[in-house]
Amino acid sequence: AQSVTQLDSQVPVFEEAPVELRCNYSSSVSVYLFWYVQYPNQGLQLLLKYLSGSTLVESINGFEAEFNKSQTSFHLRKPSVHISDTAEYFCAVSGGGTSYGKLTFGQGTILTVHP
Amino acid sequence: GAVVSQHPSWVICKSGTSVKIECRSLDFQATTMFWYRQFPKQSLMLMATSNEGSKATYEQGVEKDKFLINHASLTLSTLTVTSAHPEDSSFYICSAARTSQETQYFGPGTRLLVL
Repeated sequence: AQSVTQLDSQVPVFEEAPVELRCNYSSSVSVYLFWYVQYPNQGLQLLLKYLSGSTLVESINGFEAEFNKSQTSFHLRKPSVHISDTAEYFCAVSGGGTSYGKLTFGQGTILTVHP
Repeated sequence: GAVVSQHPSWVICKSGTSVKIECRSLDFQATTMFWYRQFPKQSLMLMATSNEGSKATYEQGVEKDKFLINHASLTLSTLTVTSAHPEDSSFYICSAARTSQETQYFGPGTRLLVL
């Protein structure tokens, strides 16, 4: 069985400040890790994913996440946030093979960027 | 980009009636679609996986006779909640992928309220 814990339900920050959204997972098998973002009134969108290779993955809009196997974490970071980054962020995990795509989600973290 | 729609966006029904929710991939063909449910302040929970032309695979604890899933074409999957009860009130979200090994694209969700 797999589980995902997002430690913060809400994270308020000021514009241009750095932010870290925390995600820890537990699994008895190798995992693939994802971060999804949900803007108001829209569906979840894939932000970035770790499948294999480099443990540091980046998105096109400046977010990055690092897979840390020893700490079973996949924290999401951005060095300088914008107002437009205000959204809810979900961390998710899936197994491989036929289990790939069967996502287990965390409870979400609402990021609010204040001017 | 890949767009997934859901219809209706919200529905209110009486206890004991059945409700059908549609999930459509608008600009791509999806061999695999997933159905999730999200209760207030909880994470998305995978209910079932459907592959076009095959019977859906349900997650443990999800009643297949209550939540009927049909994936008859490469652009449409339907979830029918049969004999709905107030405890079925939830936010139902679908996602679609070209194949089971590729990125999922999420619909905006359907909010169901059973009175």
